[in-house]
Amino acid sequence: DTEVTQTPKHLVMGMTNKKSLKCEQHMGHRAMYWYKQKAKKPPELMFVYSYEKLSINESVPSRFSPECPNSSLLNLHLHALQPEDSALYLCASSQEAITGELFFGEGSRLTVL
Amino acid sequence: ILNVEQSPQSLHVQEGDSTNFTCSFPSSNFYALHWYRWETAKSPEALFVMTLNGDEKKKGRISATLNTKEGYSYLYIKGSQPEDSATYLCAFVSTGNQFYFGTGTSLTVIP
Repeated sequence: DTEVTQTPKHLVMGMTNKKSLKCEQHMGHRAMYWYKQKAKKPPELMFVYSYEKLSINESVPSRFSPECPNSSLLNLHLHALQPEDSALYLCASSQEAITGELFFGEGSRLTVL
Repeated sequence: ILNVEQSPQSLHVQEGDSTNFTCSFPSSNFYALHWYRWETAKSPEALFVMTLNGDEKKKGRISATLNTKEGYSYLYIKGSQPEDSATYLCAFVSTGNQFYFGTGTSLTVIP
């Protein structure tokens, strides 16, 4: 069982909807990440939070808005998405940002209609 | 964007066969090399984190080697079992705090 929990597991939304993906870890890790993964491709880094501060934003469109309310929680707010944003969104955490071993959640499968 | 290539892209082996695949990465600015196993419908799971040239790591039937001077790592699976079927991802970490996953190798072990 993964120690990183993501909800919801599946989400279908229209292009005008506002929704959020949630991620939680209780391993005391200080870094948390959002990755996007399309079929047959490796995960692509979107955002990195280190000590609850956004440390890396890989030029992600503003329709994706991350939020880290505390060291255990990471949200990804979604608004005005496009069909090409349909993908698996993976959350991960690590003890040290970037260099540490990643612990992943099972992902949220997003479909944008 | 750094080039982290894995080969082969996919392979099928018979149960009991041993197999290996490759991760190629830049030989400069090396900090660490990670290996992850990603089974279908599960989360990616770390296998190894390797930092030193010549490092060899082992976990059960799976082992990995690292050559940072020439920029490659091998992952070996001895006596493959159906439960080894997964996508194996390597990830290159640079001294500049860049982290890139490789293209992945999809392994299917046929009973």
